[in-house]
Amino acid sequence: EAGVAQSPRYKIIEKRQSVAFWCNPISGHATLYWYQQILGQGPKLLIQFQNNGVVDDSQLPKDRFSAERLKGVDSTLKIQPAKLEDSAVYLCASSFTGSNQPQHFGDGTRLSIL
Amino acid sequence: GEDVEQSLFLSVREGDSSVINCTYTDSSSTYLYWYKQEPGAGLQLLTYIFSNMDMKQDQRLTVLLNKKDKHLSLRIADTQTGDSAIYFCAEGDYKLSFGAGTTVTVRA
Repeated sequence: EAGVAQSPRYKIIEKRQSVAFWCNPISGHATLYWYQQILGQGPKLLIQFQNNGVVDDSQLPKDRFSAERLKGVDSTLKIQPAKLEDSAVYLCASSFTGSNQPQHFGDGTRLSIL
Repeated sequence: GEDVEQSLFLSVREGDSSVINCTYTDSSSTYLYWYKQEPGAGLQLLTYIFSNMDMKQDQRLTVLLNKKDKHLSLRIADTQTGDSAIYFCAEGDYKLSFGAGTTVTVRA
């Protein structure tokens, strides 16, 4: 089966600019996650969707980050305006259901803020 | 993740066994996971163990779970150069908490 697809692979922007990332989960997976991985650390959950509804966005900096999954399949994550500390890899993952199911990750988008 | 701790580095000779250790805090997790991350890539699910099991073997991989001590380990038998990567241990039923990762370097 095709894995989790993410684009772009790399993005370089200046601080205060905006950026968007796209994710297409594994077919049939109802649950989608966005994680932020800062260099030298493990991934940290930003937001979890179950179909097109938000389950957990408690760690999402809502003053600058937003995410949507309008039709319950693809998802976009946006940062506006970007700060230097947002430099990280943004990983998308999906699982068949929301609990007790292995999460499968995409290759991520590496974001550099100048 | 402050809930999951791993040693940062491991160097192993090709052909030897590697053992990566992890301690966690959430004893309610149904599964515990091991992921592998190669340079520039995402996380690849290597294996996972049900919390009621003590051991799981999958080809060259052996996972040991000590629930009393909240200790998880991953043993890679006959380590190869392709096993060089960062290995993450993770816990959680939906929101995964990851350790900082153990960088495994395989030397000839």
